[in-house]
Order: sequence, then C-alpha cells, then structure tokens
Amino acid sequence: QLQLQESGPGLVKPSQTLSLTCSVSGGSINSGTFYWNWIRQPAGKGLEWIGRIYTSGSTTYNPSLKSRVTISVDTSKNQFSLKLSSVTAADTAVYYCARDLGFGEWYFEYWGQGTLVTVAS
Amino acid sequence: DIVMTQSPATLSVSPGERITLSCRASQSVSSNLAWYQQRPGQAPRLLIYDTFTRATGIPARFSGSGSGTEFTLTISSLQSEDFAIYYCQQYNNWPLLTFGGGTKVDIK
Repeated sequence: QLQLQESGPGLVKPSQTLSLTCSVSGGSINSGTFYWNWIRQPAGKGLEWIGRIYTSGSTTYNPSLKSRVTISVDTSKNQFSLKLSSVTAADTAVYYCARDLGFGEWYFEYWGQGTLVTVAS
Repeated sequence: DIVMTQSPATLSVSPGERITLSCRASQSVSSNLAWYQQRPGQAPRLLIYDTFTRATGIPARFSGSGSGTEFTLTISSLQSEDFAIYYCQQYNNWPLLTFGGGTKVDIK
C-alpha cells in the first residue's frame, strides 16, 4: 500500500522560505506515469492545488503561486519537496502531498496525512 | 480559471436520509470531475472520479452523476461515518486543477 508522509518545520517566519518534504513508501516514486502533487488547506477553508512534478523533473505550478514555488524530486531517496518563498500569514495552512493517476486522470488517490505550517514571527 | 461552486454550503440531515450535493463549474469540464470526503483532522479521501466511477473500497451508497457544468453526489442512506465535508474537483482544465469550496454535512 502506497504511503506518503510530509515532514518539515511547523513554524516559518514571515518573508522566509517554507520547505517541506514528502517521503513515499510502499512503492517507487519512479514507477508508473504518476505526478506527485502538493495541495494546501488553510484552517476552516477549502483545498488549493499548489503544483506537481513528474519524476523526469517536469513541473507545473498554480499560476497564482508560480513566482514563489519550486517543487523538486529526489528519486534516490523516494522523496519530493516543496519550497515556497517570501511567505506571509496567508500561507499558513495544512500542506498535503498527494499522487494522481497520470494519463490525464489528474485526481488524487493517495494523500499524506498533512502537516500544519504556521507563518508567524 | 474554472471556478467550482458547491451548494449548499451546509446540509443538516438525519442518519438514513438520502442527500444530494451539487457542484457547478464555470465552464464545461466534460466528465473530468472527482469527489472527495474529508473527516475532521483527516486528509481528503477520493470517493468518485470521472463523474460517476467509485474509487476502490467506496460503498455503493455513494453515486455521482452529471456532465459539462452540473454535477451531483448522492448518498442514498446517510451513515454516521458520512458526516463530513465533501469537495468536488475538476481536472479538465489542465494544468490548473481546482476544487469547490465544499459542502459540510452535519447531523440535524
């Protein structure tokens, strides 16, 4: 059974860079034609797709966040990562990593449990 | 961008009732529509994809329908574990994937 687990600092200061890693177990990040995604959810609000990466390194980002987002992959560690720069309080949210099914089936079958990141001084 | 609008925002119901949740897209998403269930403190769980196909392990009381811009999720007989928030998501307008604002189903 594929499992995803987010990790990273729970507190980030304003203007700094948020960095999270998603560790994949129960399967290889290289197998199949899947995209690996980041999604976030502010407290009490809905879901916002941040972006995704293919194991080739090809990325796609939400245009509203594109200037601040970098997603990378480390296939040797079976991990992918998120960096969000110049954070503000509006970036406080639970951050999820998730896998879609590829081939145009861009919905999310597997999710991590989520990690809360608070932006505060 | 395709905006997904869900209604109602909240639905108060009793166990055993049949409910229908609505999701409307600002432009056609064909049949590229998924539904998720999110219980408090948990990650979303995929229920339905391609408008009406149940994901693995999802009970038959969940069904999806619609096409184009109008979609519905129906729960035929609400169980206690179904009280949660439900989100729709379109994946037709690649590469920007968007979710609806959610419908909360709570106990009357």
